[in-house]
Amino acid sequence: DGGITQSPKYLFRKEGQNVTLSCEQNLNHDAMYWYRQDPGQGLRLIYYSQIVNDFQKGDIAEGYSVSREKKESFPLTVTSAQKNPTAFYLCASSPQEGADTEAFFGQGTRLTVV
Amino acid sequence: LAKTTQPISMDSYEGQEVNITCSHNNIATNDYITWYQQFPSQGPRFIIQGYKTKVTNEVASLFIPADRKSSTLSLPRVSLSDTAVYYCLLSRRSSASKIIFGSGTRLSIRP
Repeated sequence: DGGITQSPKYLFRKEGQNVTLSCEQNLNHDAMYWYRQDPGQGLRLIYYSQIVNDFQKGDIAEGYSVSREKKESFPLTVTSAQKNPTAFYLCASSPQEGADTEAFFGQGTRLTVV
Repeated sequence: LAKTTQPISMDSYEGQEVNITCSHNNIATNDYITWYQQFPSQGPRFIIQGYKTKVTNEVASLFIPADRKSSTLSLPRVSLSDTAVYYCLLSRRSSASKIIFGSGTRLSIRP
């Protein structure tokens, strides 16, 4: 059945290492998003993509990179330049246009720097 | 997209009706009002969306006055499982602009 899948659920990274978080959707949605959530806080937009091979920076893009080579996939790389990467990361997708702009979220990846 | 403002937290009791109000003074003509619910360690889930007057689904009702500068999410007869964070957003149906979340309202339901 259709949905959006993030993996892994938990991820541990050593300081100075890059790590890539996976996000896959089979909803045929054009738009995809990455958010970061810190404890007790709301979601902050990292990157978003409205179409394949195109993406835009959100409010906190520094230290992160993304790619959108396929419609179904929008991986997020947390680079060593991200000074405080420990957080809960959420991926979402939504239709580009149409009658319904509801966004669907994955279950999240909890990243911890050790 | 215009900014939204909502209370940081609210408390209520099981069986009560809960109303959460969101202010969006600078809402644009083509903005819709959307509410999401988030449980701890999970992604947000869509609850309801509306443009004007009243919208009702199996989960909640959304009341929007004529000037659209505010909206109220109404949860009838809440239960402990309604304890969550509720986000009010503005979204545009004409294109997939970036979706911006605020801090949300942390709703706590007590027995």
